[in-house]
Amino acid sequence: GENVEQHPSTLSVQEGDSAVIKCTYSDSASNYFPWYKQELGKRPQLIIDIRSNVGEKKDQRIAVTLNKTAKHFSLHITETQPEDSAVYFCAASIANTGNQFYFGTGTSLTVIP
Amino acid sequence: GAVVSQHPSRVICKSGTSVKIECRSLDFQATTMFWYRQFPKQSLMLMATSNEGSKATYEQGVEKDKFLINHASLTLSTLTVTSAHPEDSSFYICSARIGRVNTEAFFGQGTRLTVV
Repeated sequence: GENVEQHPSTLSVQEGDSAVIKCTYSDSASNYFPWYKQELGKRPQLIIDIRSNVGEKKDQRIAVTLNKTAKHFSLHITETQPEDSAVYFCAASIANTGNQFYFGTGTSLTVIP
Repeated sequence: GAVVSQHPSRVICKSGTSVKIECRSLDFQATTMFWYRQFPKQSLMLMATSNEGSKATYEQGVEKDKFLINHASLTLSTLTVTSAHPEDSSFYICSARIGRVNTEAFFGQGTRLTVV
């Protein structure tokens, strides 16, 4: 299956600063890249996604960029707030081979007030 | 968004017994559901893909005889951990997608399994 790597594993930022999380994937056929936020003991929730025909997508303070050639994509959170503290997972999916998600290893983000 | 419900949320069982976990899509039909396992502070590891009306597809390294998956209807998939051992203790979580192409996955609440 697909192999997704994610960095960093932990990230601490001051409130108001930006946070960037990076992921790489191995299968060039992957064409859908969601980002999930998981708070402690809760289910993952989608925060933003990007498809392979788009290079960048933004939703308020959150943006995702995709470089298909290099097979990497990144999550950018601007003006971070304490409630952004959580574990963030990237994932990659190939639409025509079972539709499974393969997740990165996760980034624990702490926003310091 | 769509709702995926998973039960039970917590279960403690004795070593050697079997435990069944249910995953239901409440407001949509899911021909495919996915089962993940998550260790503390680690990622979601895909265990298997559950296909309605057919056999599940297991990821490499996952014992199909130990983790039995049944997807008897378009809204229900079950994962049975057979002959559970303490090393099977983990957080199990299911997910389902609406449609097949580039769509969001919705997750159940997860099941915390503790084998004593």
